[in-house]
Amino acid sequence: ELKVEQNPLFLSMQEGKNYTIYCNYSTTSDRLYWYRQDPGKSLESLFVLLSNGAVKQEGRLMASLDTKARLSTLHITAAVHDLSATYFCAVVALGGSQGNLIFGKGTKLSVKP
Amino acid sequence: NAGVTQTPKFQVLKTGQSMTLQCAQDMNHEYMSWYRQDPGMGLRLIHYSVGAGITDQGEVPNGYNVSRSTTEDFPLRLLSAAPSQTSVYFCASSLSEGNTIYFGEGSWLTVV
Repeated sequence: ELKVEQNPLFLSMQEGKNYTIYCNYSTTSDRLYWYRQDPGKSLESLFVLLSNGAVKQEGRLMASLDTKARLSTLHITAAVHDLSATYFCAVVALGGSQGNLIFGKGTKLSVKP
Repeated sequence: NAGVTQTPKFQVLKTGQSMTLQCAQDMNHEYMSWYRQDPGMGLRLIHYSVGAGITDQGEVPNGYNVSRSTTEDFPLRLLSAAPSQTSVYFCASSLSEGNTIYFGEGSWLTVV
């Protein structure tokens, strides 16, 4: 059974600092997704990572995937208040269907001035 | 192009009532899914479909029913609502394996 663990679950950062959110998963996978959710809102797609060593960057966020270590990271550079949100990683098991995403519990990020 | 549309946005049900949450997408996506989101639990898969006429169960299917008679629509039926089904429900869709998965705005359901 595929399990996905994120840490930390809560993260309070100061503006301008860097930090990393970790996403570990328990069985082989070749597809990993990162989402952002603001309170009371839907999930916004951030990154789709499809292969070992994949790295994608958008603004102050950079995501990477190491399928051998079963680990993805979401790195935040020089945080700003607008990045405050909950971030989820989600994984599809190797050979599994795109319709069957397994989510981590989410990391609630708060960026303070 | 409206994306993924869910209705209703808010609903209050009495225990034992039945209802259907509607989900429609206009992007010709093959894959559609229903998730529920509860505090501290993340999102959990209820049912999913890989194309018209094909559905499968997810992690928490009990008490829910789905069908996929067209590519566009994937309704979720609550057969006999229970307070444990109070949650936020999200519908998602994607074109094919490895593509971006898009989520609807959510449906807030309270069962009293």
